[in-house]
Amino acid sequence: GEDVEQSLFLSVREGDSSVINCTYTDSSSTYLYWYKQEPGAGLQLLTYIFSNMDMKQDQRLTVLLNKKDKHLSLRIADTQTGDSAIYFCAESIDSSASKIIFGSGTRLSIRP
Amino acid sequence: DSGVTQTPKHLITATGQRVTLRCSPRSGDLSVYWYQQSLDQGLQFLIHYYNGEERAKGNILERFSAQQFPDLHSELNLSSLELGDSALYFCASSVKSRGGELFFGEGSRLTVL
Repeated sequence: GEDVEQSLFLSVREGDSSVINCTYTDSSSTYLYWYKQEPGAGLQLLTYIFSNMDMKQDQRLTVLLNKKDKHLSLRIADTQTGDSAIYFCAESIDSSASKIIFGSGTRLSIRP
Repeated sequence: DSGVTQTPKHLITATGQRVTLRCSPRSGDLSVYWYQQSLDQGLQFLIHYYNGEERAKGNILERFSAQQFPDLHSELNLSSLELGDSALYFCASSVKSRGGELFFGEGSRLTVL
């Protein structure tokens, strides 16, 4: 089946690291994505990783992929108030059709 | 600004009516994806077009239809509207036919009364 699951909420203290987790079901996924949605706005791509990679780092963002467990995580170092948003995990399903399926999103809130 | 334009931004209509949502992709992008975002369903994939052809269908109701025109803009038609169709409808475009980076519009908020 095609399903992407995320926890709904995460609260972290400003300056700490945030880790947002995601599991997916389709083993034929080629791209795995993290998108950010701020209030009243569309989704913005933060980063993506090819399924043949284990890790990708981009400034404060680190993406880890465990293909065996079909688990994807996004780590945001030194979390700031501007990081408050909903974070969506998504997978590109290419085996039979070109779909990009999103999780329900994780709402990240920052405590002072 | 993602370069993807959606109109209208807001739409209020009554049950049983029909509406058309429009999407202009980024210049050069051939793929258009439609998504529905509601509070209790998250972001649901509806349909994907590439260069005028339907490539993939998701959980799109039979009351909904879409097309992509030769100039690559796309329209999502919603008919016999029900209260539960109230949602934010996003369009996204990509240069690729499969995968790749999606650029999202700001969405069309539909309210059905």
